[in-house]
Amino acid sequence: AQTVTQSQPEMSVQEAETVTLSCTYDTSESDYYLFWYKQPPSRQMILVIRQEAYKQQNATENRFSVNFQKAAKSFSLKISDSQLGDAAMYFCAYRNNDMRFGAGTRLTVKP
Amino acid sequence: GAVVSQHPSWVICKSGTSVKIECRSLDFQATTMFWYRQFPKQSLMLMATSNEGSKATYEQGVEKDKFLINHASLTLSTLTVTSAHPEDSSFYICSARIGPHSTDTQYFGPGTRLTVL
Repeated sequence: AQTVTQSQPEMSVQEAETVTLSCTYDTSESDYYLFWYKQPPSRQMILVIRQEAYKQQNATENRFSVNFQKAAKSFSLKISDSQLGDAAMYFCAYRNNDMRFGAGTRLTVKP
Repeated sequence: GAVVSQHPSWVICKSGTSVKIECRSLDFQATTMFWYRQFPKQSLMLMATSNEGSKATYEQGVEKDKFLINHASLTLSTLTVTSAHPEDSSFYICSARIGPHSTDTQYFGPGTRLTVL
């Protein structure tokens, strides 16, 4: 079974600084997708970034980028120039047929 | 992007009653929908996968007779919590996949907060 592990229950970053959230996963599949979702207090799941496993190039979306290491089964999220609005729960997710989530990391942004 | 709605957004019911939660894809057809449960300060746990016109596939440990899922059309899936008890109180989130392939994009609803007294 696929598992997703987020080893950082909480992280804190100063506004305008950079923070990296860690995620590892376990799978025997070669073709899959990885995602980072943001869940603010409203509880609505917001897609931050996605990565196709067959692509070697790391995905980037504005201030958000990933470091995808397929061999190591690692998928970290880097948030640059952190903003107060980035404060939320962040979930790493793996998808082959269905989507499985990690335990989440609560990100606090200090002004 | 595509929109998924859930109704109601929150519900309070008495122990022993049944509650139905609706999940609708508003501007696309969803062959496959997923139901997740999220307890406070925890992650989303997949409960079941429903395909239009067929029986839902439940994850291990999820009681199919307690959590009835119906996916009668390409835009609507319902989750009925039967004989609800306080331990069923949780946040229920549905997700709809825009196409038939596992690679197709999946969109999430805003969730339904269920409180069982």
